[in-house]
Amino acid sequence: EPEVTQTPSHQVTQMGQEVILRCVPISNHLYFYWYRQILGQKVEFLVSFYNNEISEKSEIFDDQFSVERPDGSNFTLKIRSTKLEDSAMYFCASRMGRSAPNSNQPQHFGDGTRLSIL
Amino acid sequence: GENVEQHPSTLSVQEGDSAVIKCTYSDSASNYFPWYKQELGKRPQLIIDIRSNVGEKKDQRIAVTLNKTAKHFSLHITETQPEDSAVYFCAARSYSGGGADGLTFGKGTHLIIQP
Repeated sequence: EPEVTQTPSHQVTQMGQEVILRCVPISNHLYFYWYRQILGQKVEFLVSFYNNEISEKSEIFDDQFSVERPDGSNFTLKIRSTKLEDSAMYFCASRMGRSAPNSNQPQHFGDGTRLSIL
Repeated sequence: GENVEQHPSTLSVQEGDSAVIKCTYSDSASNYFPWYKQELGKRPQLIIDIRSNVGEKKDQRIAVTLNKTAKHFSLHITETQPEDSAVYFCAARSYSGGGADGLTFGKGTHLIIQP
């Protein structure tokens, strides 16, 4: 069964540094998402991406965050100047598009990248 | 925006018994309600979902019910087994058809199956 893959599995970064988290969504999926989960807490939506642009973003997704689909397979989340409170597990997810028989397709999650800010 | 409340935060049941986890949502426009299971350190995995035009859905030992009027939905696990131990998250989404709407998650229920 195809899976969403994320790299790296664990990233340790100094506060103030830039970090890029990478995701390869499932190949025929058209909608892409980033979520984060602070240790012991619920999963929180950050941003959704479709047709090479942001479709929706939450209050968490401020100016220090950006997303990009640099090629036909990768989907990246960049945090420009990391803060201690950015430490969390970051999940990428993807789902099929509206052309699928059932347009309300489920989101499939990757294994996540654990981001630790020192 | 949407707000999802989930109860209980921890649920301990004897192996073989049933478990029920309940969620409420605030946005009457929400029309898609998935449930995810997350084992320690792993990805959330979809176990069942329900759309607002359906009141109940069942998949083997797992069932979900939806009450649109009351804006609540529940996960039912029957004949629980040790491998059911995990954190379960409910979520809601308003699918407008025009964009890629994100999921709003509940805070999770830590389900413990006692042998």
